[in-house]
Amino acid sequence: QKEVEQDPGPLSVPEGAIVSLNCTYSNSAFQYFMWYRQYSRKGPELLMYTYSSGNKEDGRFTAQVDKSSKYISLFIRDSQPSDSATYLCAMSYSGSARQLTFGSGTQLTVLP
Amino acid sequence: DVKVTQSSRYLVKRTGEKVFLECVQDMDHENMFWYRQDPGLGLRLIYFSYDVKMKEKGDIPEGYSVSREKKERFSLILESASTNQTSMYLCASSGTGDTPYFGPGTRLTVT
Repeated sequence: QKEVEQDPGPLSVPEGAIVSLNCTYSNSAFQYFMWYRQYSRKGPELLMYTYSSGNKEDGRFTAQVDKSSKYISLFIRDSQPSDSATYLCAMSYSGSARQLTFGSGTQLTVLP
Repeated sequence: DVKVTQSSRYLVKRTGEKVFLECVQDMDHENMFWYRQDPGLGLRLIYFSYDVKMKEKGDIPEGYSVSREKKERFSLILESASTNQTSMYLCASSGTGDTPYFGPGTRLTVT
């Protein structure tokens, strides 16, 4: 069993929809949680970073962590075609980039 | 803005060739990383360097070596390329306690 599981999709939604992207994990020691966005033929870029449980909001994006369920989510409100990308979750127990464990990514397409 | 550049976007090499992938970062970061990205497997760490000439094996170091002679430059070497090393290779750098910043990637095909 992988330490981090992520539904690969692909996921297609109409423009303006609310998108929910999710990861589950098995290592209860994980405390630092990240979401990366990766456009086609580009490297991943950090989108959201949260520590421990709770919610964090940045514009149209909300990251949610539920440590009791070992489940993290990324919500995208009012989705735009420019949000079409692969979304990778990542997590670590130490905050060190050396110990990051990545999900396999969910491919999202937002249709105009 | 942090900039991580990789020497090639696309490479095609033959089995048995020695392959060099170069990465340069311009933010004076201590840490540099090489990952490979494969469908369904996500990003897997090959090697990590925390200082000049210092390196640490990641999760999948077999068949690879690295070199870091200058702080800004980190090279990945495939001593004898094999078809199972066909992949997307991503370089990243980070400061202490920071999350990694990624380069654009090199798509390597070994035939």
